[in-house]
This record gives sequence, structure tokens and C-alpha cells, in this order.
Amino acid sequence: GAGVSQSPSNKVTEKGKDVELRCDPISGHTALYWYRQSLGQGLEFLIYFQGNSAPDKSGLPSDRFSAERTGGSVSTLTIQRTQQEDSAVYLCASSLELWYEQYFGPGTRLTVT
Amino acid sequence: GNSVTQMEGPVTLSEEAFLTINCTYTATGYPSLFWYVQYPGEGLQLLLKATKADDKGSNKGFEATYRKETTSFHLEKGSVQVSDSAVYFCALSASGGSYIPTFGRGTSLIVHP
Repeated sequence: GAGVSQSPSNKVTEKGKDVELRCDPISGHTALYWYRQSLGQGLEFLIYFQGNSAPDKSGLPSDRFSAERTGGSVSTLTIQRTQQEDSAVYLCASSLELWYEQYFGPGTRLTVT
Repeated sequence: GNSVTQMEGPVTLSEEAFLTINCTYTATGYPSLFWYVQYPGEGLQLLLKATKADDKGSNKGFEATYRKETTSFHLEKGSVQVSDSAVYFCALSASGGSYIPTFGRGTSLIVHP
């Protein structure tokens, strides 16, 4: 079946612009996660959604970052007024339930110039 | 809070050598434990998992045993191949308490012919 998809695969933007990153999880997966991976670094948790519960936003680095998940499916991560330090690969993952194994998308490589 | 500590890399081995990548964790409750692998230029994918104490996860010749008494989940393979060159991430997802998945920083494995 279809895996997790993300778009765009690459995004180059100018400092100060807003960007939107999209994630399509595996159908039927109730949990969806966003992570950030900087070059040579591990995964930095940003936010997760679980069913209809309020998302856990505790990993978002600043109020410039926000995310929503519509209809329990597609999710969008928005970064406002991008800064150079936002440059990274943004990974989305989904799982059947919160404590199950995660399935990762290919990521969106964001470059802020 | 929850944490995962894995050995620093890179680990450099010759083909057919024995591999061990150490992973220890701190968590409340009874976490599930995972190893994910990221091959060059690809996304993260699940390598193996264990959901309770003394379980052994295995896949593609890799094994890891969930040791509650030593809070460890070391990854082993008896004979590595060049194609095993990748970054390996140890992770946990807890039930109860915090549901935020916790990843180690990753260990790069380089296998030479």
C-alpha cells in the first residue's frame, strides 16, 4: 500500500518568507508526528497528533512554527518568517497508535537563504 | 523524562565482522523499543522492534534483545556487509506518562570491503 508522502521534496526560500510543508500519512494511522533533522544530527521532535486529541506541541522551537491536521489525515507544518537556522530536513511519520512503530516519509529539505 | 543513549560513531568495520551498537534507555512505564535505519539518501525505516522485556527483535540478520534489568537494547549482527552501511537509530515509545517518541542521536556504520 501507499506509504507516507511529503511535499515538496525540496524547498528553497528567502529569509523572512513563510513556508508550508505537507504530509500525507498512511490511511488508518491515528498518530502523526513531525521531526526536524539537521545535518549530522539526530531527530528533533516537533509535534504529534493522535486521533481527535489535542496535539502535543511541546517540541515546537518557537511560535513561528505551527501545525494542523485536517480530518484526521493530512497535516501541514507552517513556518512563519523563516530564519537560516530553520534550514533542515523536516520528517513526517505516522503510526497505527502512539506507541506503535512509525513509518517515515522521505522528508522535505528546507533551505533558507 | 525519557531518554535514549547510543554509542557515538562512526563505527568502521570490515565486511564479515561482528557488529554491536550499544543502546541504553531511561523511561517510566513499559516502553516499546525500536531500531530504525537510514540508508544513504533514503528515509528512516523500521529495522526491528521489541515490545516487552526479554523479547528479541530480529530482521535482515540483525538482532536486539529488550533487557529491562540493564535498560538496554543493543543491536548485533554476526557478519556485516557493505550494504549495511547506514545510520542506525535506537528509539523508544512509552505507554503512560509521556507519549513523545524518543530517539538516540544515531550511529553511523561504515563497512569496508
